[in-house]
This record gives sequence, C-alpha cells and structure tokens, in this order.
Amino acid sequence: AQSVTQPDIHITVSEGASLELRCNYSYGATPYLFWYVQSPGQGLQLLLKYFSGDTLVQGIKGFEAEFKRSQSSFNLRKPSVHWSDAAEYFCAVGARNAGNNRKLIWGLGTSLAVNP
Amino acid sequence: DVKVTQSSRYLVKRTGEKVFLECVQDMDHENMFWYRQDPGLGLRLIYFSYDVKMKEKGDIPEGYSVSREKKERFSLILESASTNQTSMYLCASPGGQGAEYEQYFGPGTRLTVT
Repeated sequence: AQSVTQPDIHITVSEGASLELRCNYSYGATPYLFWYVQSPGQGLQLLLKYFSGDTLVQGIKGFEAEFKRSQSSFNLRKPSVHWSDAAEYFCAVGARNAGNNRKLIWGLGTSLAVNP
Repeated sequence: DVKVTQSSRYLVKRTGEKVFLECVQDMDHENMFWYRQDPGLGLRLIYFSYDVKMKEKGDIPEGYSVSREKKERFSLILESASTNQTSMYLCASPGGQGAEYEQYFGPGTRLTVT
C-alpha cells in the first residue's frame, strides 16, 4: 500500500541555518510528490511538486526538494531559514484508489520551530 | 489558482447537534475533499466526491455524511456531534487539467463540540 513517512516529528533550527526535512514514500509507479506548508492559523499551501523530469525542483519561499528514486525520498531543503518559516510541513504522494480516482496520501507532518 | 472557501472559521456546537460545514470552490472542478486535522495525526480523509451527487468514503467516514448537490459546493454533515469530533476541518479541491493531484485548501473550520 502507498504510504508517506516523515521521520522527524519536530525540528528546531536557528534563524539563518540550513534546513532539510525528510520524506520517504512507498509507491509502485513513478510518484507525484508534493510538499505543503501550514503556517500557524492558516490553511495548507502548496510549496512545490514533482511530476517528472529534473529531480531537483524549486518552490515558493526559497524552498527546493530533490527526488531520489533509489532512496524513495523527496527531502525538502532551504539554505537559510527565516523566522517566518516556522510552520507545519507536510509531504504527500499522489495515488489512485480502486475506482481509479486521484487522491493524496499524506505524511504526518514535521513541525518546524525557528530560534532567533 | 483554485479558490476554496469554507463557511465558518470557528464553530462551537453542543453534543448531539446536527452540524453542517460548507465548502465552495470557484473553478467548476469535479473533485472535492473533506479532511480532519488533529495534532500528531496529520490529515485524515473523511469523504471525497468526484462529481455531483457522487461520494466516496475516505479513511474515517464514521459519524459523518456529505452532500454534493451542485458542483461548486460540498457539505460535510455531522448527524449528531460528539466531543471526539472536535477538530480542524479542511476542505480541498484539486487544480484543473494537468494538475489533478494538486489540492487547494480552504482556510479550515475549527469545530469545538462541548
């Protein structure tokens, strides 16, 4: 069955430090992969996505992610974190159900805190 | 981008009440989803709909029902609210052609059942 694992429940980094949030997926075919961010009190916003092609994808707010098929990973990175990046981050993989309809399988999220 | 709106940001209801959560999307898309979000449990799919009057159970449908009478509106119904349904409820609708997996979210409804 398809699944998404975010190994880190909570991460704290200092402002200006680099960031990497891990995501591992289990999916038989070529995956459609996503990262979403949820800032405090806000809805979920799409950060970036991978469908095919270049395995390093750029997103909004200075984030990037790299798809590594051999490791079944899609880790999110940012070279220098800002205090406003403190939020909950969710990784997701696109999947089809028994009726061939599209939906997303979600990781449980990683909560990011940023120290000044 | 798809715009998704939800009828209330905050809602307080009493145990046993019938509760309606409304969601509207503005892009005439077929697909709409209802999730609940709880700390440590991520997003859990309650119901989804791929067309008018069509619905399909998600991972946690118990205690909920849905209604999709018009393409733009997808309602989540708690027939008899219970305290364990206190949660954040998120509605989502995917993008258009070529973006069918991308989901756009409403701001959420934080429901408290007392």
